[in-house]
Amino acid sequence: DVKVTQSSRYLVKRTGEKVFLECVQDMDHENMFWYRQDPGLGLRLIYFSYDVKMKEKGDIPEGYSVSREKKERFSLILESASTNQTSMYLCASSLSGHSGSGSFGPGTRLLVL
Amino acid sequence: GENVEQHPSTLSVQEGDSAVIKCTYSDSASNYFPWYKQELGKGPQLIIDIRSNVGEKKDQRIAVTLNKTAKHFSLHITETQPEDSAVYFCASPSDTGRRALTFGSGTRLQVQP
Repeated sequence: DVKVTQSSRYLVKRTGEKVFLECVQDMDHENMFWYRQDPGLGLRLIYFSYDVKMKEKGDIPEGYSVSREKKERFSLILESASTNQTSMYLCASSLSGHSGSGSFGPGTRLLVL
Repeated sequence: GENVEQHPSTLSVQEGDSAVIKCTYSDSASNYFPWYKQELGKGPQLIIDIRSNVGEKKDQRIAVTLNKTAKHFSLHITETQPEDSAVYFCASPSDTGRRALTFGSGTRLQVQP
């Protein structure tokens, strides 16, 4: 089974802080994704990457950036955290050519005060 | 872009009864329809998927049906058990290069023992 790990399960940050969320997968998947999950809204795509150093905007990229320096690692960056970025963040990965988001990590619950 | 609507938002059934969750999608070109189960404190896990060249797929107590003409697909769980209690999400490929998914808003299923 693919294992997708996220660096933190819970994070508390202050407004204006720079926040890094890290995701690592161990199955050599080409595609990696960041979603945020909010009650009643399902999962919404923030960014995804289909190769090292490649990135594509998803549906809600505003206020976020990403970095993919190595194939196994995909980082989500909140340049200046705001309270409306309080959410559950989910990372996923999948093989190239496969539709969908394959395997998900356990999620990081971020609280911005 | 793709729009996925999911109903109901909550569903409560007695153990042993069947549960049905329905989703509609907007993009007639969509060709892959997965269902995810999310248990408390965990990331979503793929439980079944269907491609547009078939109308139904079964895996033990779960099945998915697809009606391409009407652009809707459904998850059927028979002989429900308490461990089926979770949040279920439907999805279809987003129009961002078809690599990512657009998710429904989720259905919280509660199976009463």
